[in-house]
Amino acid sequence: EPEVTQTPSHQVTQMGQEVILRCVPISNHLYFYWYRQILGQKVEFLVSFYNNEISEKSEIFDDQFSVERPDGSNFTLKIRSTKLEDSAMYFCASTVDRENEQYFGPGTRLTVT
Amino acid sequence: DAKTTQPPSMDCAEGRAANLPCNHSTISGNEYVYWYRQIHSQGPQYIIHGLKNNETNEMASLIITEDRKSSTLILPHATLRDTAVYYCIVRPSSNTGKLIFGQGTTLQVKP
Repeated sequence: EPEVTQTPSHQVTQMGQEVILRCVPISNHLYFYWYRQILGQKVEFLVSFYNNEISEKSEIFDDQFSVERPDGSNFTLKIRSTKLEDSAMYFCASTVDRENEQYFGPGTRLTVT
Repeated sequence: DAKTTQPPSMDCAEGRAANLPCNHSTISGNEYVYWYRQIHSQGPQYIIHGLKNNETNEMASLIITEDRKSSTLILPHATLRDTAVYYCIVRPSSNTGKLIFGQGTTLQVKP
């Protein structure tokens, strides 16, 4: 069964450093999402991406964040200058149609020290 | 997006049916009810969704009341592996597909 994959599974970085989280969505999917979950808190929507552009973003997704689909298979989330409060699990999701179910990856645990 | 209300936690005996309620009294006509679950910090997993009619798949059944103000997710024969946080999410068909998660219901299946 096809699945969404994410790398790395765990990333440790120092405050102020740039990080890139990578996702490979399911191949025929057209809509892509990033969510995050701070430890012990609920899953929060960050951004949705369709047709090579952002279709919606949350208040969390400020100028420090960016997304890209560089090569038609990968979908990346970049944080330009990480802060301690960016420490969280980051989940990528994809779907073939926005009304259909979203498939989530296993997540990347980001730890900012 | 319509707000949902779920009990924070529930217990269920292994092998019995788990019935998880959700209130969504402000739901609009074009909003779907989705259920996802999250097993111990893994990525959320889709379970089922519906608009008006009751739905059933290999994982669960979804019962939506006639006025659509509440729904119940039914896991017919709960196993220990069904222990998870279950999220009821109401989403309009016209938005970008984003999911707004609440706190969900933590279901503990006990032997």
